[in-house]
Amino acid sequence: QSELTQPPSASGTPGQRVTISCSGSRSNIASNTVNWYQQLPGTAPKLLIYNSIKRPSGIPDRFSGSKSGTSASLAISGLQSEDEADYYCGTWDDSLNGYVFGTGTKVTV
Amino acid sequence: QITLKESGPTQVKPTQTLTLTCTFSGFSLTSSSVGVGWIRQPPGKTLEWLALIYGDDDKRYNPSLKSRLTITKDTSKNQVVLTLTNMDHVDTATYYCSHFPRFDSWGQGTLVTVSS
Repeated sequence: QSELTQPPSASGTPGQRVTISCSGSRSNIASNTVNWYQQLPGTAPKLLIYNSIKRPSGIPDRFSGSKSGTSASLAISGLQSEDEADYYCGTWDDSLNGYVFGTGTKVTV
Repeated sequence: QITLKESGPTQVKPTQTLTLTCTFSGFSLTSSSVGVGWIRQPPGKTLEWLALIYGDDDKRYNPSLKSRLTITKDTSKNQVVLTLTNMDHVDTATYYCSHFPRFDSWGQGTLVTVSS
């Protein structure tokens, strides 16, 4: 089972703001930076946020990340239909000495 | 530009060993700060990290699968190979390789079905 817990689903109407949480522990989120991935249907995951708050080149500033203690969050503002996808958090876990992904959240617009 | 591509069988039988190859370009797997990881995703399920190899040949494995996994690299060919022994139906998944430390570039994935 995953060490990082996300809500299974989130939804909003176009233009709204949606927030996805990622709950972990002292050995993962509290000790390391968090990455967020977007997976559109039938495609490979795509890095959306890295180092908890940074956006790779080409990612709109509608996407933002934050981290506090053992939890992290991804916010999508100005929700658009093309944002319908699965979203995963990920980080290193010092106890497992490996990478862990969240349970995933399906966003519906 | 970093690219990665997975290759290997699309179907294996139970108890067989799966061997997948990740061929990459756009970076050199010679630094201790750079790696290639394997991740899988069963149909309709979440992502599961499997293994990671760094440029200095340091390796990490998912503890729940460690006894069945082996990851190696061939720097001259820009390839990383993953083997998973004793395949079972629950190992049916799309297998991805990705550039580490952020998993910022991914291959397209390859669907492996375990069926007799």
